[in-house]
Amino acid sequence: DVVMTQSPLSLPVTLGQPASISCRSSQSLVHTDGNTYLSWYQQRPGQSPRRLFYMVSNRDSGVPDRFSGSGSGTDFTLKISRVEAEDVGVYYCMQGTHWPKTFGQGTKLEIK
Amino acid sequence: EVHLVESGGGLVQPGGSLRLSCAASGFTFNTYWMYWVRQGPGKELQCLSTINPDESRTVYADSVKGRFTISRDNAKSTLYLQMNSLRADDTAIYYCVSLTNGAGLDSWGQGTLVSVSS
Repeated sequence: DVVMTQSPLSLPVTLGQPASISCRSSQSLVHTDGNTYLSWYQQRPGQSPRRLFYMVSNRDSGVPDRFSGSGSGTDFTLKISRVEAEDVGVYYCMQGTHWPKTFGQGTKLEIK
Repeated sequence: EVHLVESGGGLVQPGGSLRLSCAASGFTFNTYWMYWVRQGPGKELQCLSTINPDESRTVYADSVKGRFTISRDNAKSTLYLQMNSLRADDTAIYYCVSLTNGAGLDSWGQGTLVSVSS
């Protein structure tokens, strides 16, 4: 299975400050169709996960533009330009290129 | 509005069985691949199984192959997961998900808790 490794696992951030989460895969996530199937999910406390980005950098509807996704191959990043209180939760990357789809361990974002 | 509502979880002894159901509404269920994803006590997420829209293809993670069976009833817009030979490490919240690689619906139910313990 493709191993997805996130860092850091804990991310204390001051309100209004930027935040960045790294996600690395054990294999290239470039599919034979040429697309890269890397998604990011946010799980707020007590809620189910919600997708933020698909195919690395495509923002889902309703996701604030202070969030951005980037990367290629095996190295990906989720950035928040200015953290707000509602961003508290756990963030997961997920690869959909290889079966089984696999998730990172999660990064817990908290307000400092 | 899209809704995925899981049911059927509960406490079961090791070696026992459970059948999870997921009632879908608000989207054309019979056009989507559907998945079961679980979240263990340590919050790790694991994709267990998927089934294609016309039920002709199913795929399983190695950890559940031979023990779990995914199925669907498109007439009822319902997804199922039959879980046999349950073990303690199957303890988790089980989510019904329309995981989508690209643009389009990617929606999660609220989850149903399965606890395997004697």
